[in-house]
Amino acid sequence: AQKITQTQPGMFVQEKEAVTLDCTYDTSDQSYGLFWYKQPSSGEMIFLIYQGSYDEQNATEGRYSLNFQKARKSANLVISASQLGDSAMYFCAMRERGAQKLVFGQGTRLTINP
Amino acid sequence: DAGVTQSPTHLIKTRGQQVTLRCSPKSGHDTVSWYQQALGQGPQFIFQYYEEEERQRGNFPDRFSGHQFPNYSSELNVNALLLGDSALYLCASSLASGGMTDTQYFGPGTRLTVL
Repeated sequence: AQKITQTQPGMFVQEKEAVTLDCTYDTSDQSYGLFWYKQPSSGEMIFLIYQGSYDEQNATEGRYSLNFQKARKSANLVISASQLGDSAMYFCAMRERGAQKLVFGQGTRLTINP
Repeated sequence: DAGVTQSPTHLIKTRGQQVTLRCSPKSGHDTVSWYQQALGQGPQFIFQYYEEEERQRGNFPDRFSGHQFPNYSSELNVNALLLGDSALYLCASSLASGGMTDTQYFGPGTRLTVL
């Protein structure tokens, strides 16, 4: 069964520093997608970045990049030059081929300090 | 470009009552998924609707039911409410033809409180 593990309940980072949020996953499928979402206190889940299991390059979207290590089954999110507005819950999620559902981790609460 | 919208924003019900939550997908999307997010947890998949039919269902009892309309909007119905049904209910829309890169875009959610 697919499972997502986020081991950092909370992270505190100084503004303008880079931060890495950890995500490990478990699946027996060879074809899957990995997603990161940001959830501010308002509740809406905001899509950040996607990585496919067959993608050879790490995904990047502006200040967000995904450190994808397939053999270790990890998909860590890296946020460069953090900003106060980055303070939020961050969720890692996975979708297997042929499945419709996203499976989410428990999330990491990121706090950016000025 | 209108994003995913949900109504109502907040809802308070008592145990045993029934509730209906509504969702309009992002423009151009044809698939709607519903998730339940308990406080301090990640979202849990309830079910997904495509072409007005339930395509996949998560581990939720039959008290949870849904519907999709010809305009792709969707409703989530919960009968015989329990205290444990208190949660944020998130709707997500996507494009069925998107394949593995198919990204689900979420609405702002409906916060349901059961007293």
